Amino acid sequence: NAGVTQTPKFQVLKTGQSMTLQCAQDMNHNSMYWYRQDPGMGLRLIYYSASEGTTDKGEVPNGYNVSRLNKREFSLRLESAAPSQTSVYFCASSGPRTSGAADTQYFGPGTRLTVL
Amino acid sequence: GESVGLHLPTLSVQEGDNSIINCAYSNSASDYFIWYKQESGKGPQFIIDIRSNMDKRQGQRVTVLLNKTVKHLSLQIAATQPGDSAVYFCAENSGGSNYKLTFGKGTLLTVNP
Repeated sequence: NAGVTQTPKFQVLKTGQSMTLQCAQDMNHNSMYWYRQDPGMGLRLIYYSASEGTTDKGEVPNGYNVSRLNKREFSLRLESAAPSQTSVYFCASSGPRTSGAADTQYFGPGTRLTVL
Repeated sequence: GESVGLHLPTLSVQEGDNSIINCAYSNSASDYFIWYKQESGKGPQFIIDIRSNMDKRQGQRVTVLLNKTVKHLSLQIAATQPGDSAVYFCAENSGGSNYKLTFGKGTLLTVNP
């Protein structure tokens, strides 16, 4: 199993350009997540998908859109990139909920995005 | 403990010593906690978890302690090795029907050979 994979690993954009970050998991997990990680800020949730066909906003959704393409894939789109979106982006997935508590989230290797 | 600014708290230990990393969580309704390890340039890696009906859980060389009275979580690493050098952060599920974890900002552990 590859676990959670993300593409690309690195990306440089100019302000106003658009791009899509791809994420896939092969663990048959129901839930998937997109986070950004900035120095001193920790991981902040952008969007999540509790199950195939549903998506919800997280803590910092502005400037982003997501698509849960199928159970395996969850993409993050920047329609018009801004320098404030320079960050490291992580995708994560988790299995079925049990006992009313969130299950462990497993992370991908990240995409390092710079917006000039 | 967790950071509140741009600089992470740091813990420096000698190889072979035991390490204790602390985390204060915010929500008394949280019922699930996880410790992650993040090496430079990599994604967070699951280490160990604990549910709120427990106060201690042991893994291989790691132990997590949960004190719900003071909302405190700690990670103990036995016989710390250079490969343990990383940022460690805790995460809590804030309970209810949501799927979301809230993450601490992390502690940088440096192991000196």
